[in-house]
Amino acid sequence: EVQLVESGGGLVQPGGSLRLSCAASGFSFSNYAMSWVRQAPGKGLDWVSTISGRAVNTYYADSVKGRFTISRDNSTNTLYLQMNSLRAEDTAVYYCAKDDHGYLRPIDSWGQGTVVTVSS
Amino acid sequence: EIILTQSPVTLSLSLGERATLSCRASQSISRYLAWHQQKPGQAPRLLIYDASNRAAGIPARFSGSGSGPDFTLTISSLEPEDFAIYYCQQYTNWPITFGQGTRLELK
Repeated sequence: EVQLVESGGGLVQPGGSLRLSCAASGFSFSNYAMSWVRQAPGKGLDWVSTISGRAVNTYYADSVKGRFTISRDNSTNTLYLQMNSLRAEDTAVYYCAKDDHGYLRPIDSWGQGTVVTVSS
Repeated sequence: EIILTQSPVTLSLSLGERATLSCRASQSISRYLAWHQQKPGQAPRLLIYDASNRAAGIPARFSGSGSGPDFTLTISSLEPEDFAIYYCQQYTNWPITFGQGTRLELK
């Protein structure tokens, strides 16, 4: 069974940094691209970033490009999102997600999310 | 960026009725469309991928159809647990985008 467990969320001031982690289990982690998707309070789903299985390719939404960095450690089955220069509009639940096998495939599993609040 | 427009925004139906949800893409996306269901306070769950393939464990009352710009998610006979928000997702090219969601509520 696929399990994705996020951690690292919390309250941070504007301009601050935070690193999210996602512990994955139940599948061959290095064979799958992984993504982060966020959901602002009362809003819809907003794709943030995707990293390929071997970490060769990374992709970002324009809204976070240059501020967020996605990475992964295939030896520990962990996905990361380093978030710098945080803004109030980054406040959201951040979901770790597993993509279906292959290039540009749909999300097929979701974690429960971790809450990030950017406020002074 | 491909824009996905879902309609209606809110759909009010009774138990046992048929639900039809639409998702229209701003350009052709072939069949690279998925549907996700999200219940209050929960993470989303994949229902349909590649426009018409049910994900593992999804009941047969859920079906998807369409291609190009226009897609439909149909729930043949509504059960109590089906009342939720439904999002479409395109994965034709970057950036991946989601529709704004359709809220399915109990009438």
